[in-house]
Amino acid sequence: SQTIHQWPATLVQPVGSPLSLECTVEGTSNPNLYWYRQAAGRGLQLLFYSVGIGQISSEVPQNLSASRPQDRQFILSSKKLLLSDSGFYLCAWRRGVSTGELFFGEGSRLTVL
Amino acid sequence: DQQVKQNSPSLSVQEGRISILSCDYTNSMFDYFLWYKKYPAEGPTFLISISSIKDKNEDGRFTVFLNKSAKHLSLHIVPSQPGDSAVYFCAAKRPGGTSYGKLTFGQGTILTVHP
Repeated sequence: SQTIHQWPATLVQPVGSPLSLECTVEGTSNPNLYWYRQAAGRGLQLLFYSVGIGQISSEVPQNLSASRPQDRQFILSSKKLLLSDSGFYLCAWRRGVSTGELFFGEGSRLTVL
Repeated sequence: DQQVKQNSPSLSVQEGRISILSCDYTNSMFDYFLWYKKYPAEGPTFLISISSIKDKNEDGRFTVFLNKSAKHLSLHIVPSQPGDSAVYFCAAKRPGGTSYGKLTFGQGTILTVHP
């Protein structure tokens, strides 16, 4: 069966510090992978998606970057965090090719102080 | 440009009654619509979807209705249970390869079901 894991679950970081959130998928190959963010009081905003190793597309200009060093690994990074980067970050992979169903990880809560 | 909107931030319902969550969209190119349920500090879980060529899809207590002319969809939960209390997101997908399966989400509606 397919599973998706992301870590760390909770992170408290000072402004200006770096960030690395990791996501791995098991039980599938060459998945489409996505990073979403849920900011307080807002919906889920797509940040990045990847259709293969080394292929990253950004949806919104921001302070974050993403990388896909391996087929089933997706990393969200920042060199210097801003207060506005606080939020709940979600990794997902596309399980339903036609329906578009995404399967989400457990999420990572980032608080920037 | 908010292509998918959930205009009700919250909804409160008595246990056993019907919960009706609503969603409006502007892009007539969407070919699939999905509903997700999310508990605090967890990732969203898929509930039910509907193709744009259908007007109704049912799965147990959950039914999704699509009104294409009004660009409106709704999720009915009958009967509502306290465990249904969560944030509900509607989402939409465009067809074709260039969409890459990306989903556009609404802002979410907090459903509270009182015992």
